[in-house]
Amino acid sequence: AQKITQTQPGMFVQEKEAVTLDCTYDTSDPSYGLFWYKQPSSGEMIFLIYQGSYDQQNATEGRYSLNFQKARKSANLVISASQLGDSAMYFCAMREGQRGFQKLVFGTGTRLLVSP
Amino acid sequence: EPEVTQTPSHQVTQMGQEVILRCVPISNHLYFYWYRQILGQKVEFLVSFYNNEISEKSEIFDDQFSVERPDGSNFTLKIRSTKLEDSAMYFCASSRVGGISNQPQHFGDGTRLSIL
Repeated sequence: AQKITQTQPGMFVQEKEAVTLDCTYDTSDPSYGLFWYKQPSSGEMIFLIYQGSYDQQNATEGRYSLNFQKARKSANLVISASQLGDSAMYFCAMREGQRGFQKLVFGTGTRLLVSP
Repeated sequence: EPEVTQTPSHQVTQMGQEVILRCVPISNHLYFYWYRQILGQKVEFLVSFYNNEISEKSEIFDDQFSVERPDGSNFTLKIRSTKLEDSAMYFCASSRVGGISNQPQHFGDGTRLSIL
């Protein structure tokens, strides 16, 4: 079974509108962390936002927020007021367990295209 | 802001040749990682490294791969005898702490490896 599932291969949004990118995860470990990364066409991986499994509130970072629904095992990224520069691939990733140096497991990504 | 740097940005190598990919992690980070991304696919974990030894490796990281931190700053990935299927973007990442925390893994811009 996939640990991280991103069901939207591509999403389109108009500039200034909000968009939600879906991510569901599968783990039996009560301790885990969820991350979103942005990958522009230039290829680098840019950290956006983090949600811990024990966090009581949904994470927010500027225009990015995370709709974390623990019972449904979903951690959807919400981008408010989309900008042309938001066009990129977006990856959801999970880190399991409490030991140090755990690896990240990535989803297949969602390509977001923001139009004027 | 400090960042992870990788060199070279693009490496072209003949099949069967050895290749060394170099990374300089963020200076106060303790945990180091290599990931790869075959074109159009998701990011896959290769290996994690802490306290001068491998802490975890994936099935991809076979005997042809090795990692080293030769001088306390550089972190290298060596592929001893490259194969066509090694063609991918290779990302180095580092983090200050491991385990469940809000400290993300910071990625470098990647080295695109092309095997001919």
